[in-house]
This record gives sequence, C-alpha cells and structure tokens, in this order.
Amino acid sequence: DIQMTQSPSSLSASVGDRVTITCRASQSISSYLNWYQQKPGKAPKLLIYGASTLESGVPSRFSGSGSGTDFTLTISSLQPEDFATYYCQQSYSTPRTFGQGTKVEIK
Amino acid sequence: EVQLVESGGGLVQPGGSLRLSCAASGFTFSNYEMNWVRQAPGKGLEWVSYISSSGTTIYYADSVKGRFTISRDNTKNSLYLQMNSLRAEDTAVYYCAREIDRGRGRWFDPWGQGTLATVSS
Repeated sequence: DIQMTQSPSSLSASVGDRVTITCRASQSISSYLNWYQQKPGKAPKLLIYGASTLESGVPSRFSGSGSGTDFTLTISSLQPEDFATYYCQQSYSTPRTFGQGTKVEIK
Repeated sequence: EVQLVESGGGLVQPGGSLRLSCAASGFTFSNYEMNWVRQAPGKGLEWVSYISSSGTTIYYADSVKGRFTISRDNTKNSLYLQMNSLRAEDTAVYYCAREIDRGRGRWFDPWGQGTLATVSS
C-alpha cells in the first residue's frame, strides 16, 4: 500500500496569512493526488484533483502543486471559513490512501 | 442536485452486524463507481471498500476483508455495506462517496453526510 504523510499535523495561522501544507507519498504517484477540506461535523469536500486542478466553485486562493512523491496545498490568504482539516489522497492505486490530515487553527 | 444520503447506523454489540445504505439521486447511479470511507471519532479518513459501476469489481481494506460486504442495486440507485463480526475499532462515521474517473486521475465527489456506527457492549 502507498503511504501518504502530511506535514504539519496542525498549524496555527491568522486571517490573511499564507499557509502551505505538504503531502509526501511513499512511492511515485505521478499527479494522482487529491486534496479535501473537512469542517467539524461535516463530510469532506473536494478542493483539488490531479494535484493542481481546482474543483469548480473552490476559491482561487487555494492552489496545489507537485508530482511524483511531493505535493503542496497552498492557501494564499487565509480566510475565516478556511479553518478546517485538510487531507490529501492518492488515486494511483487501490487502496486509495489518505494522509493523516492537517488541522488549520486560528492563531 | 447530486446527493448521497446514508442510513442504517446505530449501536451494536461486539460481534454483531449492521447494514448501511446509501441512497443516490441527481445523477445516473449505474454509470459510477462508488466507495465507502470511514472516520473513527477524532481520527482521520480511512478508505473501506470500492465497487465498480456494474458491481463486478470489488475491493476491501485489509482491516475489513472477510467481515464487510459491499454491494449495489442500480435499479434502486442504492449502495450498501453489510458489516458483520463488528469490533470496537469499527466504531466510526461511515461515508459513501462517488468516484469520478477523468483523464487527470480519480477522486471522490460528492460525499454523503455520513452515518455513525457504534460498536460497544
């Protein structure tokens, strides 16, 4: 199975900050990497697929990059509604493993 | 509107069984692969099972293999997860999720709201 490792596990940031979350795969997954946002008590929501393609309706302050084993989710200017937990997921092979999550909290 | 609605969760004793359902609407259910994903309280997401659009290809996580059975009824636009020999560590919110397959890979969208299965004596 492909292991997905996110860092950091949590971070504190202020509104307007630039935030970067990293996801590393245990083997190359090309660009088969997705990012999801989950708010407390809610289902995950797709943000980015194919490592860098923004899902329709997702604000442009979110962006994704990377290929192979190293990927990044960037929020260019953190907004109050962005405080949530973010998960990466590989779709290169089954099982479709997730990272352990990164919780973005208010500083 | 594309929608997935899970049901069937509840409290069950260790060793017991539950059958989860996921009702799909707003899209042609029979054209899509489907998945179950779970989340233990305060923990991250764990993929559980996959079923192809026709139901002929099925995969399970090692943690549930031999105990859980995924199935679907395309005439009823419904996905199921039969969970047997339940353990305390199966306690989680269970989500169904549609799998999208495009040229840029595969992803889950949308997800249902989840149903909580609690295994406890």
